[in-house]
Amino acid sequence: GAGVSQSPSNKVTEKGKDVELRCDPISGHTALYWYRQSLGQGLEFLIYFQGNSAPDKSGLPSDRFSAERTGGSVSTLTIQRTQQEDSAVYLCASSLSTSGGQETQYFGPGTRLLVL
Amino acid sequence: AQTVTQSQPEMSVQEAETVTLSCTYDTSESDYYLFWYKQPPSRQMILVIRQEAYKQQNATENRFSVNFQKAAKSFSLKISDSQLGDAAMYFCAYRRPRKDNAGNMLTFGGGTRLMVKP
Repeated sequence: GAGVSQSPSNKVTEKGKDVELRCDPISGHTALYWYRQSLGQGLEFLIYFQGNSAPDKSGLPSDRFSAERTGGSVSTLTIQRTQQEDSAVYLCASSLSTSGGQETQYFGPGTRLLVL
Repeated sequence: AQTVTQSQPEMSVQEAETVTLSCTYDTSESDYYLFWYKQPPSRQMILVIRQEAYKQQNATENRFSVNFQKAAKSFSLKISDSQLGDAAMYFCAYRRPRKDNAGNMLTFGGGTRLMVKP
């Protein structure tokens, strides 16, 4: 597609349930990022995928959060046993990977997650 | 660790006037990238302008320009001839150059909400 797409647009779940959020990056972009945007914490980095390399998981807030990227394209962010503090907008971004490291990240519209 | 600070939670500007949004950052790196992103109510982050730290010339994109002061670690955004469609949250962001698989994430400021009055 022309841009980064994310689904669902909105998700309401009950505390304790698992949720999966999907990101479809721009075709040809080898780098993929997940960020979380919440009222209390602002915009924070969660995880980064680059090609076939091991992901940078340094931003994941707890072991309830995990992500995978299949076939170097679509990514799924999974939150297990959701808590109310997980309520936020989850943003995905993708970029090319250039030798100079100058790539710009392009964002999707986000998934708004509400945990009741 | 890098930090990015936007000291103006809200700004207001009259349509057709000029407004400047402030951003300061802290880093020990000499080479890096700076960005301004716009986030309208639709939530989608839209890149407004980017600046490479090694370039002394300030970046410009139509009505948007930056004042990059490397020594002062300041990166302000100037919007000229403000339009109603400019109303949004504006985020300043910092990124190190890509080094292997580390440090490629954006570090964001807290954002500035810009209101445009007709």
